[in-house]
Amino acid sequence: NAGVTQTPKFRVLKTGQSMTLLCAQDMNHEYMYWYRQDPGMGLRLIHYSVGEGTTAKGEVPDGYNVSRLKKQNFLLGLESAAPSQTSVYFCASSYWQNNEQFFGPGTRLTVL
Amino acid sequence: KNQVEQSPQSLIILEGKNCTLQCNYTVSPFSNLRWYKQDTGRGPVSLTIMTFSENTKSNGRYTATLDADTKQSSLHITASQLSDSASYICVVSGNAGNNRKLIWGLGTSLAVNP
Repeated sequence: NAGVTQTPKFRVLKTGQSMTLLCAQDMNHEYMYWYRQDPGMGLRLIHYSVGEGTTAKGEVPDGYNVSRLKKQNFLLGLESAAPSQTSVYFCASSYWQNNEQFFGPGTRLTVL
Repeated sequence: KNQVEQSPQSLIILEGKNCTLQCNYTVSPFSNLRWYKQDTGRGPVSLTIMTFSENTKSNGRYTATLDADTKQSSLHITASQLSDSASYICVVSGNAGNNRKLIWGLGTSLAVNP
């Protein structure tokens, strides 16, 4: 099993550009999450999903959108990238809402 | 305010030595406490999950303790190895263990030198 995978691993954007980060899990987990990790701050939840076709806002959702059309995939979109969105983005999944979370390897995004 | 504080911020030890990392929290109500290991450039990996009724839990050379009365936890690493060099993050859940309500600490950066 690959676990949780993320693409791309690295990306550089110019302010105003858009992009989509893809997360895929092969563990048949119901819950999926998108986090960002910034220096001097703990991981912060952006959006999450409690099942196929559902999405919900986390702690820092502004400037991001998500979709969960298939159970195994969770997409994070940036419609108009800003320098404040420069960060490392992690996707995670869990079988249920209070179970252990499994994390992907991360996507390092730089917005110039 | 719900907070998780870890100490020390960073630590350097020699291979083969033991070390203990600390975590203090003010999250209330408390449901569970987790320790994660994060290697540089990688995602966090779960080491232990402890509920309020568990005082200690081990995972190989890693042993976590929890005192829910004083709201303190520690992670003890025995016979350290070079591969233990990583950031160790304490995470507390304050809402029925819900993953949507996790409070993440900033981590302790551990370097194990030969």
